[in-house]
Formats: sequence, structure tokens, C-alpha cells
Amino acid sequence: GQNIDQPTEMTATEGAIVQINCTYQTSGFNGLFWYQQHAGEAPTFLSYNVLDGLEEKGRFSSFLSRSKGYSYLLLKELQMKDSASYLCAVDTDSGGSYIPTFGRGTSLIVHP
Amino acid sequence: TAGITQAPTSQILAAGRSMTLRCTQDMRHNAMYWYRQDLGLGLRLIHYSNTAGTTGKGEVPDGYSVSRANTDDFPLTLASAVPSQTSVYFCASRTDWSLGNEQFFGPGTRLTVL
Repeated sequence: GQNIDQPTEMTATEGAIVQINCTYQTSGFNGLFWYQQHAGEAPTFLSYNVLDGLEEKGRFSSFLSRSKGYSYLLLKELQMKDSASYLCAVDTDSGGSYIPTFGRGTSLIVHP
Repeated sequence: TAGITQAPTSQILAAGRSMTLRCTQDMRHNAMYWYRQDLGLGLRLIHYSNTAGTTGKGEVPDGYSVSRANTDDFPLTLASAVPSQTSVYFCASRTDWSLGNEQFFGPGTRLTVL
């Protein structure tokens, strides 16, 4: 089985920086996804990390440490529209099938 | 491009009835997935397909079946619905490994079983 852990809820102030952590225990690790999901909408892809290190995409960055089973999503210059759930998903190789397994998500509330 | 479409958008279904949730993608992705999302439980994988003609079971397959007759379509069938299948259902497809591993989700089907 897999164990994926992320905080249930976080709050932050507009304009600030927030880091959302995700820890996992799994076998057959291929990579790690981050998604954003606004209430009542489908998840949208943010990033996919395969190698250790930080990958930056505009205001969003994602970090991975494979040896520690740890990832984080960093959001800079927070805006009100960043209020959403952020989903971490571990991608594993199961006999040649690539299977993303999701954590329960972190609800981020951005306040003025 | 349309990306991934799902139908219906929402449905109320009597327990014991059967129903097929439709999913179509126009991106020629090989891998497709069905998830259900329940409050507090996150997204859970029901079934997946690596390519046309193949399917596999996910974390919560009981009560559901899928088929993959071609690349574009991946329908999910509930043979005899039960109230615990009340959920939001998302279909997803994924680019191949060499193209960046981006997973795209459909808009979802909200199903209520009474």
C-alpha cells in the first residue's frame, strides 16, 4: 500500500509565501504530481517531479527529495484566487502501468 | 480542442438501476483513469487503462466495470447502483512518459444514488 500525508488545511495572507508539504511511503516510485482544485471544479495539473530538486514555474515551485519521501509546493506572491485545494499524488510503476495515487489534499485559504 | 468530456454532468439514480458514465478524450492519450472523489477521502482510483483493449483495477473497483474499445472512449458502468456510490466521478487521461507526464481531468459527473 501507499501512505501519502499532507496537512488538511492551511491559511495565509495575500502577498505572502506558503509551503505545502507532502510526505509519502511507497514502492515503485516514478514521480510526484501536484494539482490545484477549486471548489466544484476538476483538478488542474501544476507540476510533475521526477528528479530531486526544485522546479520553478512562475509563482509556483515544486521540490522533491526521493530519498526522504518528501515533496513541497511553494506558492509565492499569494493571490486571493489561490484559495483552493492542493493535491499531492505519487506516481508508481505497477507492472508497467503508471498509477497516480492521491493524498487527501490541503485546503488553502488566502485572506486579505 | 475539447480535451476530455464527460456525460452526464449530474444524475440522480435509483438504487438497483444501472448506469454508464461516459468519457471521451481527443488528445490521443493512451492512459486513462476513473476516479471518485468523496469529502475527506480525496480522489480514489476505480479503474484504469494503459491503452485500447486493456484495463486494470484500482483501489476501489467493486461495483464498477470499464471497457476500452478504442483510444478515445473509456466508459464506466455501474451495474446495480447502491447509495455508497454517491460521489463525484472524474475521468482523466495522461500524456506519455516522453511527453511530460501531464494528467488532464474531465469536468466530472456528480452522481446521487437514492
